[in-house]
Order: sequence, then C-alpha cells, then structure tokens
Amino acid sequence: GAVVSQHPSWVICKSGTSVKIECRSLDFQATTMFWYRQFPKQSLMLMATSNEGSKATYEQGVEKDKFLINHASLTLSTLTVTSAHPEDSSFYICSARGGAENTEAFFGQGTRLTVV
Amino acid sequence: DAKTTQPNSMESNEEEPVHLPCNHSTISGTDYIHWYRQLPSQGPEYVIHGLTSNVNNRMASLAIAEDRKSSTLILHRATLRDAAVYYCILRGRTGRRALTFGSGTRLQVQP
Repeated sequence: GAVVSQHPSWVICKSGTSVKIECRSLDFQATTMFWYRQFPKQSLMLMATSNEGSKATYEQGVEKDKFLINHASLTLSTLTVTSAHPEDSSFYICSARGGAENTEAFFGQGTRLTVV
Repeated sequence: DAKTTQPNSMESNEEEPVHLPCNHSTISGTDYIHWYRQLPSQGPEYVIHGLTSNVNNRMASLAIAEDRKSSTLILHRATLRDAAVYYCILRGRTGRRALTFGSGTRLQVQP
C-alpha cells in the first residue's frame, strides 16, 4: 500500500532553536498533506492543511509564524518548529491523501519532539 | 463534522473476538464510516471503512447498523499486536478534509 515517510522519528533540541520535520509520500503524489500534534494521553489535533504550491491553512490557535509549513512538491511537505520551547514538546504526525475521492488517509510514523 | 461516541477502553483476551462499538447518531446520508488504529508511539493506520453494507478485509470486519446510527469493528481473533487506540471517524463523500479524531477506544489484549 501507499507509504508516507516521516523524518526524523525523534529529535531533541534546545529551547530557542528550530527543528524541521519532513513528510514524504513515497509512491504517490499528495496534493494535500495534513499536520497533526498529539500530546501524551490525548488524541490527534489537526494543526494545519498543506497544499502543494500554495500557502498552508492553519487551525484556530496554531501560530503560523511559529509552525512554518512548506509543500514545495507533490511528494514533500515540511514542518518547521521555530524558536522551540518546552511546551512544543509533542508527537507530530503528518498525513497525506492522493487524488481519488474518499481514499484512505496515510500517516507518517510520527516525530517525537523534545525541547529541553 | 458529525460526532462519534466510543467507549474509552476495552479489554480482550488473546485469540478471542473483539467487538468495538461506535455510535454516530447524527451521521449524514453521504458520510462514510472509517476506522483507524494507532499503535503505541506510531502514526495511525487505516483499518477499514464502509457506507451502508458490512465490509470485510484482512484486518477486520465492519458491521453497520441498518439505520447507520452505529457501527461495530470486529477483530475476529485478537492478538497482542492489536493492542492500540481505535478511532471511529465519519468522513464526507469527497474525503478532501482532514480526519477529525475523537478520543477513541483503547483496546488492551491480555495473553
């Protein structure tokens, strides 16, 4: 089946630094990708929708200047957490779907971000 | 999006069938019923989906009530590897929007 690869699977960074997370669709073209965040013992919360070649759409309460999303190609979207703080520590997950109607969504393995 | 209601947790014994219920009384006529599961420290994975008729695949079966206000995910023989959080999600016909995750059901499988 289709595969979405997310990298890195985990990262530890210092407060104030930036971290980039990559999400790639390996065997299909993803016109739309979604970024989620999941805190411990909680469900996935949608952060933003990333559309190839256009600006991302952010959910209410998500700072677009802090969570920079770039979707420059049909197989790659990146999420950059800028000036990270300990409260940004979370599990970040990307998702992609192809072009057909109502196809299943494919998810990356997730990235565990720890800000110290 | 129409809301779904699932029990917070369920337990099963290995090798036994598991029936995971989901209520979606406000489902619209064009909503598909999707199930995903999330194993510990991993992204969610697709399990099954359906519209009106019961569905079977290699992972599970989906039984949909005649009035579509509820559905049941059936794992025919639970294994330890099936321990996960199972999410029942309604998705519109075009499926263009992101999935909205509720709290799901945490399934524990005892050896």
